[in-house]
Amino acid sequence: NAGVMQNPRHLVRRRGQEARLRCSPMKGHSHVYWYRQLPEEGLKFMVYLQKENIIDESGMPKERFSAEFPKEGPSILRIQQVVRGDSAAYFCASSPGGQGRHEQYFGPGTRLTVT
Amino acid sequence: KQEVTQIPAALSVPEGENLVLNCSFTDSAIYNLQWFRQDPGKGLTSLLLIQSSQREQTSGRLNASLDKSSGRSTLYIAASQPGDSATYLCAVEGGSRLTFGEGTQLTVNP
Repeated sequence: NAGVMQNPRHLVRRRGQEARLRCSPMKGHSHVYWYRQLPEEGLKFMVYLQKENIIDESGMPKERFSAEFPKEGPSILRIQQVVRGDSAAYFCASSPGGQGRHEQYFGPGTRLTVT
Repeated sequence: KQEVTQIPAALSVPEGENLVLNCSFTDSAIYNLQWFRQDPGKGLTSLLLIQSSQREQTSGRLNASLDKSSGRSTLYIAASQPGDSATYLCAVEGGSRLTFGEGTQLTVNP
């Protein structure tokens, strides 16, 4: 059973370009979470999605950032018109659905560098 | 708003020493608490998860305790090894998210 997969692992974008980060959850998992780790800072929650639904996006910046988790395919975190302050490691986690609380399993992260 | 604090921020010990990492959180209404390990430039490896109804979990040389009422958790590492050098993160789950501490950077010297 493959773990959470993220691609690309490293992404370089110039200021003003768009960044698309992909996350494939573990097999059988229907919940996806995105976290951001800025340089020298802790991980911060961004958004929680279930298939085709955004459940909690209270940690997402109001502008330029969006996330989706379509019925088919990976979850996508999109950053439009990137700025240098967007340079960070972006981690995706997944968990199974159903009743009760479930452990979140993390992917290896995508390291975004904005030049 | 949940806040998680980890002490110390950095720790350097000689190989073989037993050590304790501390984590505190402000809101005791949590579902569970997880300890993670993060190596430089790498992702997160889950070490231990303690449900809110539990008081401790053990895995090999690691033992984590949870005192929900006082908002504290400790991670005990026995007989430390150079391979244990990493940043250790504490995270609590409340609602739909994990709230992380800033981490303790551990160095175990041979």
